[in-house]
Amino acid sequence: DIQMTQSPSSLSASVGDRVTITCRASQSISSYLNWYQQKPGKAPKLLIYAASSLQSGVPSRFSGSGSGTDFTLTISSLQPEDFATYYCQQSYSTPHSFGQGTKLEIK
Amino acid sequence: QVQLVQSGAEVKKPGASVKVSCKASGYTFTSYGISWVRQAPGQGLEWMGWISAYNGNTNYAQKLQGRVTMTTDTSTSTAYMELRSLRSDDTAVYYCAREAISWFDPWGQGTLVTVSS
Repeated sequence: DIQMTQSPSSLSASVGDRVTITCRASQSISSYLNWYQQKPGKAPKLLIYAASSLQSGVPSRFSGSGSGTDFTLTISSLQPEDFATYYCQQSYSTPHSFGQGTKLEIK
Repeated sequence: QVQLVQSGAEVKKPGASVKVSCKASGYTFTSYGISWVRQAPGQGLEWMGWISAYNGNTNYAQKLQGRVTMTTDTSTSTAYMELRSLRSDDTAVYYCAREAISWFDPWGQGTLVTVSS
């Protein structure tokens, strides 16, 4: 099974900050990497698919990059509604494993 | 709009079974698969498995093999996930999600399953 490791596990930042979350796969997954945002009590929401494609309706301040084993999610200028938990997920092979999550909190 | 609506919360005793439904609308049901993901309280996301709504093919997480069954009813555009021999560590919110090529969007609202004696 492919293991997904996110860093950091938690992050404190301020509105307007630029934030980067990283995700590493235990083996190459090409570009089969997706990013989700989850707010408390809500279902996850797709932000980025295929490593760098922005899902329709998602603000352009979100971007993704990477291929192979190393990936990043960047929020260019944090907004109040961005404070949430972020998960990466590989869809290269089953089980389609998730990272452990990165909780983004207000500083 | 594309929407997945799940059945309501369940409370079950250890050893019992639970069947969660996921009704799809706003798209051609048989053109996509449905994946199931669960989230234990305060924990991360765990992929449980996938079913093709086109032909019923399934792919289950190895740790759940033998206890989980995923099915679909194309006449009502509804997917089902049944989990048997429930244990306390099966307590979680269970989500269905439409699998489009290789990503999940959208997700259902979640169904809380509580296993307690």
